[in-house]
Amino acid sequence: GAGVSQSPRYKVAKRGQDVALRCDPISGHVSLFWYQQALGQGPEFLTYFQNEAQLDKSGLPSDRFFAERPEGSVSTLKIQRTQQEDSAVYLCASSSDTMNTEAFFGQGTRLTVV
Amino acid sequence: AQSVTQLDSQVPVFEEAPVELRCNYSSSVSVYLFWYVQYPNQGLQLLLKYLSGSTLVESINGFEAEFNKSQTSFHLRKPSVHISDTAEYFCAVRLTTDSWGKLQFGAGTQVVVTP
Repeated sequence: GAGVSQSPRYKVAKRGQDVALRCDPISGHVSLFWYQQALGQGPEFLTYFQNEAQLDKSGLPSDRFFAERPEGSVSTLKIQRTQQEDSAVYLCASSSDTMNTEAFFGQGTRLTVV
Repeated sequence: AQSVTQLDSQVPVFEEAPVELRCNYSSSVSVYLFWYVQYPNQGLQLLLKYLSGSTLVESINGFEAEFNKSQTSFHLRKPSVHISDTAEYFCAVRLTTDSWGKLQFGAGTQVVVTP
């Protein structure tokens, strides 16, 4: 596609509900990142995939957060039993090579937990 | 661990006036440096980057940033802003030793350009 696409753009979840956020990276991009951006803050790294391999998940805040990229293209970030502190914008970025000197970001999914 | 500090959370500026957005970082190893811009309701876009070579880097829309190793800074400047430059600007660093290039961002600076 022309750019990184994320869906849904907005998600309201009741506390305790599970959510799944989708990222379609630019076609052919090897690298995929997830970031979390809390209100008034810069994005913070969550996890990194190189093709289908999840090489770094050091930024995932708890075991309620799970990400996958089974075929090396589309990725899903799943949050189980959502809590209010999970409210944030979740950003996906992709890059064409493993040097990752230029990452292309999607518009993000704004998650609000009520 | 590295950190990024953007000293101004908001910068109001008049159209055609100059603007400077300050960014300082701390790191025990060498870094690559980036500025990203986020226009309203859009994703982050890379504005410019410093990887190596000349310490002064420029973007296609008139912004420039200078890497100052001794002061650990990477301030962003534009000599004359337009209304369309209204956006949030994020400074980011990446360790040169990081295998896959995860970025650490500052908190952002909101630039508001008024006529």
